[in-house]
Amino acid sequence: DAGITQSPRHKVTETGTPVTLRCHQTENHRYMYWYRQDPGHGLRLIHYSYGVKDTDKGEVSDGYSVSRSKTEDFLLTLESATSSQTSVYFCAIRDNTNYGYTFGSGTRLTVV
Amino acid sequence: AQSVAQPEDQVNVAEGNPLTVKCTYSVSGNPYLFWYVQYPNRGLQFLLKYITGDNLVKGSYGFEAEFNKSQTSFHLKKPSALVSDSALYFCAVRDTNGNQFYFGTGTSLTVIP
Repeated sequence: DAGITQSPRHKVTETGTPVTLRCHQTENHRYMYWYRQDPGHGLRLIHYSYGVKDTDKGEVSDGYSVSRSKTEDFLLTLESATSSQTSVYFCAIRDNTNYGYTFGSGTRLTVV
Repeated sequence: AQSVAQPEDQVNVAEGNPLTVKCTYSVSGNPYLFWYVQYPNRGLQFLLKYITGDNLVKGSYGFEAEFNKSQTSFHLKKPSALVSDSALYFCAVRDTNGNQFYFGTGTSLTVIP
């Protein structure tokens, strides 16, 4: 998917444990985003980044933190996973060729 | 605040028939509107966009969308549906500074052979 890779693709974790999801891009895009997808809610923005060490909150940022120490990597951390964070997580970059986004393939996270 | 609404959770259409997936929007300023498609276990893929210009926008896989400013709608259309069009479709609006997208809740399209 256009130089974006997400890892892991699937993860099962226990309530209360920390979890980090990784998004890696190879095209030097400035803007990167983390969304979660849930039935009935569509995609909701968690956090986004507009450069190295520059991040901002989205509409559902509680319980999540992010870091961007390099242009190519944008990490999403659940400090203490809860069952309500069971979801599919998508990373995206802003695609300057069509004004839209290019998405990664997603990470399916299950918190038990 | 920007938002989009997709009033139908599910649309069923027979193969070969025309299809429409509805989207209405609410924006301040000029809208940047998008349609994305999601196949099972995949990320979202760009279909088409409206930025400015002709109200009828053509996109990938034979899809098109009609921008209607008076009705604040951006419905996705295809003249003849294929079984392979079965997927989840999302309408989205980009905010004016381009930092965020706002997605609808999605419409599941099923094309019946």
